[in-house]
Amino acid sequence: AQKVTQAQTEISVVEKEDVTLDCVYETRDTTYYLFWYKQPPSGELVFLIRRNSFDEQNEISGRYSWNFQKSTSSFNFTITASQVVDSAVYFCALSGVSGGGADGLTFGKGTHLIIQP
Amino acid sequence: SAVISQKPSRDICQRGTSLTIQCQVDSQVTMMFWYRQQPGQSLTLIATANQGSEATYESGFVIDKFPISRPNLTFSTLTVSNMSPEDSSIYLCSVPQTGSNYGYTFGSGTRLTVV
Repeated sequence: AQKVTQAQTEISVVEKEDVTLDCVYETRDTTYYLFWYKQPPSGELVFLIRRNSFDEQNEISGRYSWNFQKSTSSFNFTITASQVVDSAVYFCALSGVSGGGADGLTFGKGTHLIIQP
Repeated sequence: SAVISQKPSRDICQRGTSLTIQCQVDSQVTMMFWYRQQPGQSLTLIATANQGSEATYESGFVIDKFPISRPNLTFSTLTVSNMSPEDSSIYLCSVPQTGSNYGYTFGSGTRLTVV
């Protein structure tokens, strides 16, 4: 069975601070995908990144960066110089790959990020 | 990436009744997924809907309660049957995006309140 743990229920920081959201996963699959999604107060789910299990390169996209470490089963997300617009619930998710293609996602419980002005 | 139209966006229903949620995709997709997001909670996968075969349900979800149809490669419905207040949730459909770094696209959700 797959499991995603986001131990931080809520994080509150002041604007311009850096913040890291933790994600730890469990899976027996040798090939899998990891994702981060953002859910702002409006409710829609915004895709941020997908990482394959065989690609441990870290990724940077503007103020966002992701650190994938297979040895610790972690896929952490850092926002540099946070802004009020970053306030949202962030979900880490995991999927396997079956013979027919991508599987559905297993989500963590989410981290509510509050950026105070 | 695919665009999903999900209807209705919200509804208030009486307990004991059923509601059918529709999900229309602007391109053909093999698999569609249905999720539930209970108030203040994370998303939980209900079932996977493949065209031309029975939907595959996750543990804790059964076909009698959540029947799914998948008549073609661009459309699916989820019915929430014999509703109770505990079914009050947001229901979302999702499809895999194509491309080398694909994620999953989600519909805007159906906010269901059962009274």
